[in-house]
Amino acid sequence: GAGVSQSPSNKVTEKGKDVELRCDPISGHTALYWYRQSLGQGLEFLIYFQGNSAPDKSGLPSDRFSAERTGGSVSTLTIQRTQQEDSAVYLCASSWAQRETQYFGPGTRLLVL
Amino acid sequence: GNSVTQMEGPVTLSEEAFLTINCTYTATGYPSLFWYVQYPGEGLQLLLKATKADDKGSNKGFEATYRKETTSFHLEKGSVQVSDSAVYFCALDRGGGTSYGKLTFGQGTILTVHP
Repeated sequence: GAGVSQSPSNKVTEKGKDVELRCDPISGHTALYWYRQSLGQGLEFLIYFQGNSAPDKSGLPSDRFSAERTGGSVSTLTIQRTQQEDSAVYLCASSWAQRETQYFGPGTRLLVL
Repeated sequence: GNSVTQMEGPVTLSEEAFLTINCTYTATGYPSLFWYVQYPGEGLQLLLKATKADDKGSNKGFEATYRKETTSFHLEKGSVQVSDSAVYFCALDRGGGTSYGKLTFGQGTILTVHP
């Protein structure tokens, strides 16, 4: 079956622009996670959605970052007024329930010039 | 807070050599522990996991034992192959209420296996 997909695979943007990153989880998975992989910080948790519950935003690094999940499926991570330190690979993962195995997408590589 | 420390890489081995990648953790409570692998050009994949002390996770010839007394979860393989070349991440899930599923990762260890 189809795995987690993310788009775009690469994104180059100018400092100050807004970007949207998309994640399509595995069908039927109720939990969805966003992580960031950067040279300086390694792999960091950003935000977590579980069913219809309020998302856990405790990992978002600033208020420029936000995410939503529509219809319990597709998720969009938005970064406003991008900064060079936002350059990283943004990974999405999903699982069929909280605390079950997370399946990761290939990531979106973001470069802020 | 929670943290995971992995041995620094890169690690370079010849085929059929023995592999150990050290991983130690700091966490409150009783976390679950994981090893994830990232092959070149691919996404992260779960390699193995252990959910309680003394559990041994195993997959594809890799093993790791959850040692609560030493807060460790070292990854081992008796005979590596070229196809094992990848980046390996140790991770924990501290669990507890809404914290379930929020993985804390180590820095990753690059493994290169030569024929």
